[in-house]
Amino acid sequence: DGGITQSPKYLFRKEGQNVTLSCEQNLNHDAMYWYRQDPGQGLRLIYYSQIVNDFQKGDIAEGYSVSREKKESFPLTVTSAQKNPTAFYLCASTPGDRLTEQFFGPGTRLTVL
Amino acid sequence: GQQVMQIPQYQHVQEGEDFTTYCNSSTTLSNIQWYKQRPGGHPVFLIQLVKSGEVKKQKRLTFQFGEAKKNSSLHITATQTTDVGTYFCAVVRNAGNNRKLIWGLGTSLAVNP
Repeated sequence: DGGITQSPKYLFRKEGQNVTLSCEQNLNHDAMYWYRQDPGQGLRLIYYSQIVNDFQKGDIAEGYSVSREKKESFPLTVTSAQKNPTAFYLCASTPGDRLTEQFFGPGTRLTVL
Repeated sequence: GQQVMQIPQYQHVQEGEDFTTYCNSSTTLSNIQWYKQRPGGHPVFLIQLVKSGEVKKQKRLTFQFGEAKKNSSLHITATQTTDVGTYFCAVVRNAGNNRKLIWGLGTSLAVNP
């Protein structure tokens, strides 16, 4: 089955700890994206990458970091500098940069206690 | 920057009633995409509109792109409980060589059986 996987589905962390969220795709897509969604809100772009070893800040990159060492993988680290990390995190990919359609993973719900 | 306003924020209907959500922009759009997110799920692509005045149908769903390409609507005829979820519009924004989607805040639809 082709698709995007995110793990884990639910994640709990103590305040002050860094945490890395996994995103893997086997769709052979070039571009990958990380979004944050808060209750009743739309999707806000954190980081995106249109090619391996390159990534760009989105609209709310502060307190987050990413890497794109492999085409299939785009992990997101939520650092202790992120003031309000509790949220639903969604990873997405598109075949190229034309943005004809975004494919989403199931999401990771992060709760910081 | 380019933004999209989506209305209404919430809509509560009786099963069998119609439903419409609107997406408006102050600038001309190259295209617009619509997504559906079920409660607890992830956004799923529904359609993309690119032509002025375009109308597309998917069973009970009708999508329209305005003549001036500044607004769009999604209309559901005779809603069913399976239509419950949040409907988002999204538009492509070009930033140099990078392209990303800008999302509306979504319209949450609740359907009473």
